[in-house]
Amino acid sequence: QKEVEQNSGPLSVPEGAIASLNCTYSDRGSQSFFWYRQYSGKSPELIMSIYSNGDKEDGRFTAQLNKASQYVSLLIRDSQPSDSATYLCAGGDYQLIWGAGTKLIIKP
Amino acid sequence: ETGVTQSPTHLIKTRGQQVTLRCSSQSGHNTVSWYQQALGQGPQFIFQYYREEENGRGNFPPRFSGLQFPNYSSELNVNALELDDSALYLCASGSDGQGHNEKLFFGSGTQLSVL
Repeated sequence: QKEVEQNSGPLSVPEGAIASLNCTYSDRGSQSFFWYRQYSGKSPELIMSIYSNGDKEDGRFTAQLNKASQYVSLLIRDSQPSDSATYLCAGGDYQLIWGAGTKLIIKP
Repeated sequence: ETGVTQSPTHLIKTRGQQVTLRCSSQSGHNTVSWYQQALGQGPQFIFQYYREEENGRGNFPPRFSGLQFPNYSSELNVNALELDDSALYLCASGSDGQGHNEKLFFGSGTQLSVL
């Protein structure tokens, strides 16, 4: 059974701090990994994609991938209240497997 | 805005009925995927269509079926509705024809309630 695991949270972070979200996956054949943000009652929105080991930065967001440890993370710098949402991790090759999401709360 | 539109936004049905959900893909995208998302869960892959043919299917029974049309719009049909079918149904389009390494752009979803 291919799985993607995330801590459901909620993860509470003060405004301006770094939020760190983590995800592990079971399928060693997974090649592509994505982080999506989902506000309550809305559909998922693509934040980052990462395909190679290492870090990938885009603005305040940094995705990290470690295929040996089967671990993906998302760092959000200078957290803002508008970052409060559920963050979904998805990984796979042909078919994406999704985690259940981590609820992030940024406290003003 | 992703350019992916779904209709209707909300729907209420009774057990045993049939439902059709519709999706219009983003311009230039030739792949459409359908997902079911229960409350508090991540999306579950139902199936994907590429050039009007089913291109992969998740662990859903045959009463879940779909169509993709030449203009890349799509339908999800669910027969013999069950209470557990109550969920948010998401359509996502992409431009990688084989579905690999694909970034997905989601519509706003259809919230289905089965009573």
